Amino acid sequence: DTEVTQTPKHLVMGMTNKKSLKCEQHMGHRAMYWYKQKAKKPPELMFVYSYEKLSINESVPSRFSPECPNSSLLNLHLHALQPEDSALYLCASSQVRASGRWAGELFFGEGSRLTVL
Amino acid sequence: AQSVTQLDSHVSVSEGTPVLLRCNYSSSYSPSLFWYVQHPNKGLQLLLKYTSAATLVKGINGFEAEFKKSETSFHLTKPSAHMSDAAEYFCVLIQGAQKLVFGQGTRLTINP
Repeated sequence: DTEVTQTPKHLVMGMTNKKSLKCEQHMGHRAMYWYKQKAKKPPELMFVYSYEKLSINESVPSRFSPECPNSSLLNLHLHALQPEDSALYLCASSQVRASGRWAGELFFGEGSRLTVL
Repeated sequence: AQSVTQLDSHVSVSEGTPVLLRCNYSSSYSPSLFWYVQHPNKGLQLLLKYTSAATLVKGINGFEAEFKKSETSFHLTKPSAHMSDAAEYFCVLIQGAQKLVFGQGTRLTINP
């Protein structure tokens, strides 16, 4: 099983809504990532979790709140988003050494397409 | 600072002809480099990776890339394009513990 599964595939929300994106992997990876991708652009890193602890936050606005309940699950809680937050949100996972150094390629999910009205 | 430059934003080839997607990098250290492919409305799939072993790297679906330190390049090639190869391709460099540095992407179009 080499899949990273993301749900939902599509999400439409208003600016006052609260919603969550979910990501699951069963490859035993201990690093999980959230990326944001706008049309015709490369993905931009948002957050990294290593061993269920937040290790990187790329100065993301607080209306995005990540959560890593266990080593297989990663959530992204959304609240009071803006229309410019509409994008494809990609989850990824990878192996990581205990030192925190990179230990392999990232495996990406198919993404959640978010539209904020 | 480390960076990746994909020299063509769009490449168009005919089915059955060779594909060349160009990537140059800048790195103070011995780099780890990847090519990922993204089909429309899909996630990214790893095509191949270079991690300081053999300089000619073979990947999936007939793609390969050659690491040339003297030219700071990591170009992606395929001998014969197939319609299913139409996608966006990203050249990626590892920076630090867990950060990827992406090129801007090359859109590959295959003409019948």
